[in-house]
Amino acid sequence: AQSVTQPDIHITVSEGASLELRCNYSYGATPYLFWYVQSPGQGLQLLLKYFSGDTLVQGIKGFEAEFKRSQSSFNLRKPSVHWSDAAEYFCAVGGAGSTLGRLYFGRGTQLTVWP
Amino acid sequence: ETGVTQSPTHLIKTRGQQVTLRCSSQSGHNTVSWYQQALGQGPQFIFQYYREEENGRGNFPPRFSGLQFPNYSSELNVNALELDDSALYLCASSLAATPDEKLFFGSGTQLSVL
Repeated sequence: AQSVTQPDIHITVSEGASLELRCNYSYGATPYLFWYVQSPGQGLQLLLKYFSGDTLVQGIKGFEAEFKRSQSSFNLRKPSVHWSDAAEYFCAVGGAGSTLGRLYFGRGTQLTVWP
Repeated sequence: ETGVTQSPTHLIKTRGQQVTLRCSSQSGHNTVSWYQQALGQGPQFIFQYYREEENGRGNFPPRFSGLQFPNYSSELNVNALELDDSALYLCASSLAATPDEKLFFGSGTQLSVL
C-alpha cells in the first residue's frame, strides 16, 4: 500500500539554524517523490521533486532533499532557515504506474521559526 | 500566483445539503485533480479529470462527483453533506496526466458543514 510518514508533527528552529524534515514512504513501484510547502490560506507550492538520477535534488528557496532507496526516505534539508520559511511542509509520493495527480501525502510537518 | 483559481473561498452548508465547488485551471492545462484536506491532515486524492474524462479516483464515496468542461475548468459536487466533509478542498491543474508534469494548486475552498 502506498503511504507517506512524516514523523515530526511540529518542529521549532531558530532563524539561521539548519533544518531537516523527515519523510518515509511506502510505494509498490519506482517512486516519484515531492516536497510541497503550504502557507496559511494558501495552496501547495512545489519545493522540489525526485524522479530519477542524482539522489540529491535541489529545489527552490535553498531547499534540498536526498532520496535514499535503502531507507525509503526523502528528507528535506536547508542549511540556514529564514523566518519566512515558517509554514507547513508536506512530503508526497506518486509513481510511473499512476497519473501525476494521484499523489499520496503525509500529514505534514509544521515549522516554526524563532527570531 | 499559480493561475489556478477556486471559488468560492469559503462556504458554510448544513448536513444533508449539496455543494458545488469550482476550479479554473491554468491556461493550457488539460488535467485537473481534486484533493480534500481535513484539519491537521495532508491532502487526500479525490479524483482526476483528463480531457473531460475521469482518469482516476481515490477512496471517496459516489456522492463525490466531478465534471471537467471543454475549457478545462472543473467542478466538484458533493451530495448529502456530512459533518466529516468539512475540509479545505484543493484543485490542482497540470499540463498533462503524466508523472513528470508539475501540479499547480489553487488556494482552495474552505467548506464547513454544520
